[in-house]
Amino acid sequence: GQNIDQPTEMTATEGAIVQINCTYQTSGFNGLFWYQQHAGEAPTFLSYNVLDGLEEKGRFSSFLSRSKGYSYLLLKELQMKDSASYLCAVRRHGGSQGNLIFGKGTKLSVKP
Amino acid sequence: DTAVSQTPKYLVTQMGNDKSIKCEQNLGHDTMYWYKQDSKKFLKIMFSYNNKELIINETVPNRFSPKSPDKAHLNLHINSLELGDSAVYFCASSQSSTPSAQYFGPGTRLTVL
Repeated sequence: GQNIDQPTEMTATEGAIVQINCTYQTSGFNGLFWYQQHAGEAPTFLSYNVLDGLEEKGRFSSFLSRSKGYSYLLLKELQMKDSASYLCAVRRHGGSQGNLIFGKGTKLSVKP
Repeated sequence: DTAVSQTPKYLVTQMGNDKSIKCEQNLGHDTMYWYKQDSKKFLKIMFSYNNKELIINETVPNRFSPKSPDKAHLNLHINSLELGDSAVYFCASSQSSTPSAQYFGPGTRLTVL
């Protein structure tokens, strides 16, 4: 089976840095995605990791360790608009091309 | 221009009715998906279509039937609606030839009374 865990909620201060962790257990791992979802809106793609290491994209970075089944999303210079849910999703190999299994999301609240 | 669009945005209906949700993508992707997001915000895959062939059915009740007239469209038909079907349904698309991200439509909020 597969299991994806991430904290339910986090709070951080505007201008600070926050790290959202995700651990996973799955067969046929073929990459990990992070999505951002504002309340009442669709998920939007943030980052993708398939090899170990850090991927940086502006204020957002994502890290993957396949041996540990672990990823994190790092948000720097937090802004109020970063208040949203952050979804970790694992992609698997196999006939179900592009099959993504989502975690339950981490609701981030950014305070002034 | 909207990349992935869905209609309607809101759907309120009575138990037992049959309804459809439409989805279209103009990204030229070859794979489309339907997800259900429940009240606890858990996003779960329902169906995936690649080049008009069903490649996933994650134990969804057979009251739900996806229909893909062409690779730019994936509609979701639901028979005999139940209270538990109330959720937000998202359509998404991706390109299978590269490990690309899935792009989501705006969602359809279905309320069954």
